[in-house]
Amino acid sequence: AQKITQTQPGMFVQEKEAVTLDCTYDTSDQSYGLFWYKQPSSGEMIFLIYQGSYDEQNATEGRYSLNFQKARKSANLVISASQLGDSAMYFCAMRDLTNDYKLSFGAGTTVTVRA
Amino acid sequence: DSGVTQTPKHLITATGQRVTLRCSPRSGDLSVYWYQQSLDQGLQFLIQYYNGEERAKGNILERFSAQQFPDLHSELNLSSLELGDSALYFCASSPNSGTETSGRGGEQFFGPGTRLTVL
Repeated sequence: AQKITQTQPGMFVQEKEAVTLDCTYDTSDQSYGLFWYKQPSSGEMIFLIYQGSYDEQNATEGRYSLNFQKARKSANLVISASQLGDSAMYFCAMRDLTNDYKLSFGAGTTVTVRA
Repeated sequence: DSGVTQTPKHLITATGQRVTLRCSPRSGDLSVYWYQQSLDQGLQFLIQYYNGEERAKGNILERFSAQQFPDLHSELNLSSLELGDSALYFCASSPNSGTETSGRGGEQFFGPGTRLTVL
C-alpha cells in the first residue's frame, strides 16, 4: 500500500520569498510517479509538477521545483518568488506506474502568502 | 481550464435521497476517475473507468455506483445518502489506461468538482 505524508498543515510565507513543502512517501513499488497539485479556495485541482521514480534530474516547472530524494523517499515542492496567488492548499500525490491507476494523496498543506 | 466538465457544481439534498453526478472528460481521454474529498477522509480514489469498462475500484461504498457511456462521459450515482456523504466529488480524466510510464506518468486532469451537501 502507498502512503503519502505531509507533516505541515499550514505555512505562512512572505511575498517574493521561497517556500518548501514537505512530502514523504512509503511504497514498495519500483516504478512510481510523484505529483503535486494546487487547490485554491475555489476548489479546483491544478496540476503543478511531476517526478518519475527513475528520473535522474529533479523536475522543474517555472517557479516550481521538486527536490526528489529517492533514498529518503521524499519529494518536497519548492515554490520560488512566492506570489499572493500562490495562497492555496497543496497536495502531494503518488501513483504506481505499472500496476495501479489511482492517485494516492497526502493530507495537504495550506500556504498563505503575506504581502 | 482543464477541459474536464462536471455538473452540477453544487447539489443540496436530504438524507436518504439519490443523486447523479455527471462528468465529461477531455476530448480524446479514455479514462475517467472519481475522487471524493471530505474533511475527515481527505482525497480518496473511488473508481476508474477506461473506455467504458470498470478498471479499478477504491474506497467506494456499495451505495455508490458509476458507469461510463459510449460517448465516454461518466456518471456517479450516490444513493441512500447520509450526512457523511457530504463532500466535494472530483472527476479526472487521462488519455490512457494509467499504466503508461512515459510523459507525465499518466497525468490526470481534474474537473472543477461537484460539492454535495446532504442535510
